[in-house]
Amino acid sequence: GAVVSQHPSRVICKSGTSVKIECRSLDFQATTMFWYRQFPKQSLMLMATSNEGSKATYEQGVEKDKFLINHASLTLSTLTVTSAHPEDSSFYICSARDPGATNEKLFFGSGTQLSVL
Amino acid sequence: LAKTTQPISMDSYEGQEVNITCSHNNIATNDYITWYQQFPSQGPRFIIQGYKTKVTNEVASLFIPADRKSSTLSLPRVSLSDTAVYYCLVGETNNNDMRFGAGTRLTVKP
Repeated sequence: GAVVSQHPSRVICKSGTSVKIECRSLDFQATTMFWYRQFPKQSLMLMATSNEGSKATYEQGVEKDKFLINHASLTLSTLTVTSAHPEDSSFYICSARDPGATNEKLFFGSGTQLSVL
Repeated sequence: LAKTTQPISMDSYEGQEVNITCSHNNIATNDYITWYQQFPSQGPRFIIQGYKTKVTNEVASLFIPADRKSSTLSLPRVSLSDTAVYYCLVGETNNNDMRFGAGTRLTVKP
């Protein structure tokens, strides 16, 4: 299947700093990408849907100024956690839709574990 | 995206067949049923997708009754490495409403 690369896999930062997470579709063009966060022992929670070249659509309760999403190209979406605080510590996962796939259409990155000290 | 209901957890032993059922009473005509597997600290991985009747691949089988209000993921002869969380998602393949339910935490014991 298609590959979605997510970096970094783990990041530790100080409170108040900003962290950028990249999500790349390696062998297909992803017009739509999704960002999730996941707390331990819980399910994935959809944060936002990003479409290439347009503003992201955020889920209710997700601060768009806190979690900046940029989907500037068909193969790259970035999530920036601005002024991170300990409560932002979580596992962040991106996924990308391959419109050309015949069966499996949604591919996931390997996730980023963010720890804010 | 149709709401889904799955058992929170299941236990099994190595070599057994495991069946995980997902209820989706409000499934729409154009909706497909897709199952994902997630290991700790990893992104979900596609297992199988179907629309009706039975679908089988090298990993699992998916059984969907005629009314499509539920589906059953069948894992033949599980091993310890199948211990994971399994999620079913129901929706159109190009639907952007990709919300996950609670999932089923499967524990395979030796």
